[in-house]
Amino acid sequence: NAGVTQTPKFQVLKTGQSMTLQCAQDMNHNSMYWYRQDPGMGLRLIYYSASEGTTDKGEVPNGYNVSRLNKREFSLRLESAAPSQTSVYFCASRRQGAPGELFFGEGSRLTVL
Amino acid sequence: AQTVTQSQPEMSVQEAETVTLSCTYDTSESDYYLFWYKQPPSRQMILVIRQEAYKQQNATENRFSVNFQKAAKSFSLKISDSQLGDAAMYFCAYRGSPSGGGADGLTFGKGTHLIIQP
Repeated sequence: NAGVTQTPKFQVLKTGQSMTLQCAQDMNHNSMYWYRQDPGMGLRLIYYSASEGTTDKGEVPNGYNVSRLNKREFSLRLESAAPSQTSVYFCASRRQGAPGELFFGEGSRLTVL
Repeated sequence: AQTVTQSQPEMSVQEAETVTLSCTYDTSESDYYLFWYKQPPSRQMILVIRQEAYKQQNATENRFSVNFQKAAKSFSLKISDSQLGDAAMYFCAYRGSPSGGGADGLTFGKGTHLIIQP
């Protein structure tokens, strides 16, 4: 089982460049999430999507946009990357009726120079 | 806003021994969920154990158990018979009641790095 798949796993950008992180899950989950992980900060929620067609801001949404393309896919876009967005990004999904029980992807390490 | 505090940045334990990781949280809600997630060097986060606040009985999953003290807002993880494969970052996480409104998703602590000494 693939579970939650993120691409790319590594990316280096220059300040001002744009990019999209892709995420897909094959578990038929309704809810999907994007987190970022910084050293000494734990994971912080960027955006989430409770169902296809809906998205909501999390704790740290500034500088990001998301798209819930369909039930499987939830992408995260950086329109104009900044060094402060250097981080490891995790996508996760959750099945209905299981609050907090997240299935995570392997993460995408993004460096903005 | 809810906060989750893990006061031990790093813990070390001998293989086969028992170790307890601490977590405290702050909330005004009465109904919520608590979790421990493990992040091994491969980076992928894995759910270890969950606890519903309305349940008085502490959750147990094989060698992993919790000590949930609701009044003290404390949620510690005990790992018995530690194994080399337990070496990882451990994150405590909080989720409010789905019926209570507010953002979906988890609030995480900053993590505890667990080292297993052979």
